[in-house]
Amino acid sequence: EAQVTQNPRYLITVTGKKLTVTCSQNMNHEYMSWYRQDPGLGLRQIYYSMNVEVTDKGDVPEGYKVSRKEKRNFPLILESPSPNQTSLYFCASRGWSRAWEQYFGPGTRLTVT
Amino acid sequence: SQELEQSPQSLIVQEGKNLTINCTSSKTLYGLYWYKQKYGEGLIFLMMLQKGGEEKSHEKITAKLDEKKQQSSLHITASQPSHAGIYLCGADKSGTQGGSEKLVFGKGTKLTVNP
Repeated sequence: EAQVTQNPRYLITVTGKKLTVTCSQNMNHEYMSWYRQDPGLGLRQIYYSMNVEVTDKGDVPEGYKVSRKEKRNFPLILESPSPNQTSLYFCASRGWSRAWEQYFGPGTRLTVT
Repeated sequence: SQELEQSPQSLIVQEGKNLTINCTSSKTLYGLYWYKQKYGEGLIFLMMLQKGGEEKSHEKITAKLDEKKQQSSLHITASQPSHAGIYLCGADKSGTQGGSEKLVFGKGTKLTVNP
């Protein structure tokens, strides 16, 4: 089954404790992205990757890091989480052949206290 | 940069009623897509529109991109409780044609369908 998986689905952590949210896709897609979704602000892009070892900033990259060492994986790293990073996070991927059809993961609900 | 404004922000309808959601862009749209999100879950791709005047349907959901390519409407006929969720429109942030990974979304329209 074609899918994007994220782990963990739910996470409660404390300020300053480094964390990683994993994202994996099994569709051999070139493009992968991370978004955060907040009430009243909608869905905003954090980082994206056009292929292995190629990443770029989206609209709200501050406080986040990403890496793309393998085509299928695109982890999101929060080196020192802060309460304003409490949000619902989505990973997404798409391939060349159906350019606008992004597949989204189920989301990771992160709470930073 | 591209901005997408959706209206209404929320909508409550009785089952069986028709409804329309609008997405207006600050720039010409070269690709506009619609997604549906169930509360707290991931987004599901519905359809993508590229050409002015283009209209596509997915089950009882029809979306159209106007001739000037700055507005899209999503119409649901004979709504059902299964249509409930948040509908988001999205587009290339630069407002140029195809392929960019810098994407922008509207803030969404929350649809409630009462049985």
